[in-house]
Amino acid sequence: EPEVTQTPSHQVTQMGQEVILRCVPISNHLYFYWYRQILGQKVEFLVSFYNNEISEKSEIFDDQFSVERPDGSNFTLKIRSTKLEDSAMYFCASSQGADNEQFFGPGTRLTVL
Amino acid sequence: AQSVSQHNHHVILSEAASLELGCNYSYGGTVNLFWYVQYPGQHLQLLLKYFSGDPLVKGIKGFEAEFIKSKFSFNLRKPSVQWSDTAEYFCAVNAKSSASKIIFGSGTRLSIRP
Repeated sequence: EPEVTQTPSHQVTQMGQEVILRCVPISNHLYFYWYRQILGQKVEFLVSFYNNEISEKSEIFDDQFSVERPDGSNFTLKIRSTKLEDSAMYFCASSQGADNEQFFGPGTRLTVL
Repeated sequence: AQSVSQHNHHVILSEAASLELGCNYSYGGTVNLFWYVQYPGQHLQLLLKYFSGDPLVKGIKGFEAEFIKSKFSFNLRKPSVQWSDTAEYFCAVNAKSSASKIIFGSGTRLSIRP
């Protein structure tokens, strides 16, 4: 069964460094999403992406964040200058259509020291 | 604004007990509804979803949920829980037909005593 994959599974970085989290959505999906879950808290929406542009973003998704689909398969989340409070589990998701189920990846645990 | 409320932060049950986790949502339009489960150390898995049709939906592992539109509720049920059901359960909603963000509830931690 096709699934969303994410790399790395765990990323440790120093505050102020740039990180890129990678996702490979399911191949025939057209809509892509990033969510995050700070330890012990609920899952929060960050951004949605369709047709090579951002469809919607949350207040969390400030100028330090960016997303890109650099080729036909990857979908990346970049954090330009990480802060301690960016430490969280980041989930990628994809869906085939606008009103289809979103499939979640296993997540990348980001630890900012 | 959309929101999801889960009434119980932590539920503790014995094996074979029946389970009902409450979920209410706030949204002015038509929605899709979900329950996700997160087992310790694992990622989110979809338990069940409601998009349309029969308001009583059945999911994996014997779980079911009932959409009651008049009450804006989507409670999760299981007649007899097992120790392996120990996990965090998230109710979630998104607006229909708009590829919109999923709004998650704060989660209910379920602990099953063997």
